[in-house]
Amino acid sequence: DTEVTQTPKHLVMGMTNKKSLKCEQHMGHRAMYWYKQKAKKPPELMFVYSYEKLSINESVPSRFSPECPNSSLLNLHLHALQPEDSALYLCASSRGGLVNNSPLHFGNGTRLTVT
Amino acid sequence: AQTVTQSQPEMSVQEAETVTLSCTYDTSESNYYLFWYKQPPSRQMILVIRQEAYKQQNATENRFSVNFQKAAKSFSLKISDSQLGDTAMYFCAFMISIQGAQKLVFGQGTRLTINP
Repeated sequence: DTEVTQTPKHLVMGMTNKKSLKCEQHMGHRAMYWYKQKAKKPPELMFVYSYEKLSINESVPSRFSPECPNSSLLNLHLHALQPEDSALYLCASSRGGLVNNSPLHFGNGTRLTVT
Repeated sequence: AQTVTQSQPEMSVQEAETVTLSCTYDTSESNYYLFWYKQPPSRQMILVIRQEAYKQQNATENRFSVNFQKAAKSFSLKISDSQLGDTAMYFCAFMISIQGAQKLVFGQGTRLTINP
């Protein structure tokens, strides 16, 4: 069982749709992450939240909009996506702060298909 | 910049054999952390083992061990008595702390298949 829960597991959306991916953790972690993973490739970092504040945006297009409502929740709002945005989206969390050897704990991901 | 290189795109061994996955990295940092993650078909990234760069002793976790050569910037993973459940994509990763969080830089991965 994963300690980081992502919903939905699968999502199919059209290019004009608006949808959201959700991520939840109850480990008391204060850093949360969104990664994008294409088939047979390693995960690529998109966003990092540290203590509910956006600390890293890896030059992600504005059609992806992250939100961290509280320390346990992380959302990724999607709007006007392109077919090339189809991928596995992974959420992760870590203790964050000065504990710099804290490993990341990953969820099972959301498989997104843009039609 | 930190880079991680895994030179073996695919490997295949028989069940119960020992297999070693290679990883090299490049960094100018003096204190850092290295990880191996596995990603089975279930998609979840699972932590296998971690190594602190300041520790000379190689990390071990049951059947998994690493050969950490800091001067050579090498971090290989050895799986002993391999099992069918070890079949997965294995990623070597380098971690840095940045702006109150930890950033992982992944290698390209090695797809490992354990055959019965």
